[in-house]
Amino acid sequence: QKEVEQNSGPLSVPEGAIASLNCTYSDRGSQSFFWYRQYSGKSPELIMSIYSNGDKEDGRFTAQLKASQYVSLLIRDSQPSDSATYLCAVNSNNNDMRFGAGTRLTVKP
Amino acid sequence: DTAVSQTPKYLVTQMGNDKSIKCEQNLGHDTMYWYKQDSKKFLKIMFSYNNKELIINETVPNRFSPKSPDKAHLNLHINSLELGDSAVYFCASSLEGGPNEKLFFGSGTQLSVL
Repeated sequence: QKEVEQNSGPLSVPEGAIASLNCTYSDRGSQSFFWYRQYSGKSPELIMSIYSNGDKEDGRFTAQLKASQYVSLLIRDSQPSDSATYLCAVNSNNNDMRFGAGTRLTVKP
Repeated sequence: DTAVSQTPKYLVTQMGNDKSIKCEQNLGHDTMYWYKQDSKKFLKIMFSYNNKELIINETVPNRFSPKSPDKAHLNLHINSLELGDSAVYFCASSLEGGPNEKLFFGSGTQLSVL
């Protein structure tokens, strides 16, 4: 069983719409959850982190963490510049961050 | 100044060769990592080091040998390269390796084995 799973996509949304990205993880002891964005040919960069159940908002981004081992990322008012691969990451132990396979998002003008 | 720098950016080589990728971070972090990203974008942890000590050693062929001469450097040596080793290798660092810490990534090394 994969440790971190994401819907494979690709996900395509029109400009201005809400993009919804989902992630589930297998380790109930996981403590910290991250969303990284990766543009083609570039390295991953952190856009959101969340450590407790509930919602966390940062500008157009909202991360949601639920007790059912589910974490999501909502992008409001999607822009073409949001087109990238979004990687969910889970940290259960020190020095050990595990990534999902990523969801490719395309925002069409 | 680049926070996490790795060299080379591109590496093209023949099967059976031995090659090294170097990584350095100037952030004063204690923990460094090597990740492999395949063509499907799956980013898989290979190794993590905390203050020169090996912490995570995933199921990686022993042809891959990391070396950390000091906590600012983590190099990756690969022996007897195989076609399946072709991927992008990312070095990363974090402050102390704690569970709430984000990773800072290098720009990646695209390895192509012919």
